[in-house]
Amino acid sequence: SQTIHQWPATLVQPVGSPLSLECTVEGTSNPNLYWYRQAAGRGLQLLFYSVGIGQISSEVPQNLSASRPQDRQFILSSKKLLLSDSGFYLCASQEPNHNEQFFGPGTRLTVL
Amino acid sequence: GENVEQHPSTLSVQEGDSAVIKCTYSDSASNYFPWYKQELGKRPQLIIDIRSNVGEKKDQRIAVTLNKTAKHFSLHITETQPEDSAVYFCAAPFNDYKLSFGAGTTVTVRA
Repeated sequence: SQTIHQWPATLVQPVGSPLSLECTVEGTSNPNLYWYRQAAGRGLQLLFYSVGIGQISSEVPQNLSASRPQDRQFILSSKKLLLSDSGFYLCASQEPNHNEQFFGPGTRLTVL
Repeated sequence: GENVEQHPSTLSVQEGDSAVIKCTYSDSASNYFPWYKQELGKRPQLIIDIRSNVGEKKDQRIAVTLNKTAKHFSLHITETQPEDSAVYFCAAPFNDYKLSFGAGTTVTVRA
């Protein structure tokens, strides 16, 4: 079964600073990878998904970007954080030709 | 894309009673319907799912039912316990493999 790692677990950043969140997956090959954001007390908003190395699709326009430099590595970045970027960022992995998505432990980001 | 509506947004039940959460979806081609449980501060965990070739699936105290004609599916939790307190999300697929999530139901089990 696959294991999903995310780091850091928590992060406090000032407005205007850059961001890099990392997600790595073990136990599977060529997974579909997803980045979700969850605002406090809210649902799951799909930000980006990737079906392979270098292949990124964005679901919502924003100041965030994603990259997939390796098969099992997915990175979420920003050049300048906004207050509205605060939230719980979840990476999810899905094995090829499977429906099930499994979530990593998440990164809680606070932008001050 | 898929539009998933989830009701109620909050649900308070007495320990031992049943809890039911309902979701509707818009894409008649959807064929996979998962439910996730998210405890406070934790990741969502997949607890049960159902595919469109069956109408009901059970796993101990939880069950999911699917009505494809009406395009709705429900989560049933029987004999609720304090550890069932959490936020529950339903989801339905769109564009083959992505998931659209409901807004969530906060379930509180009163002792």
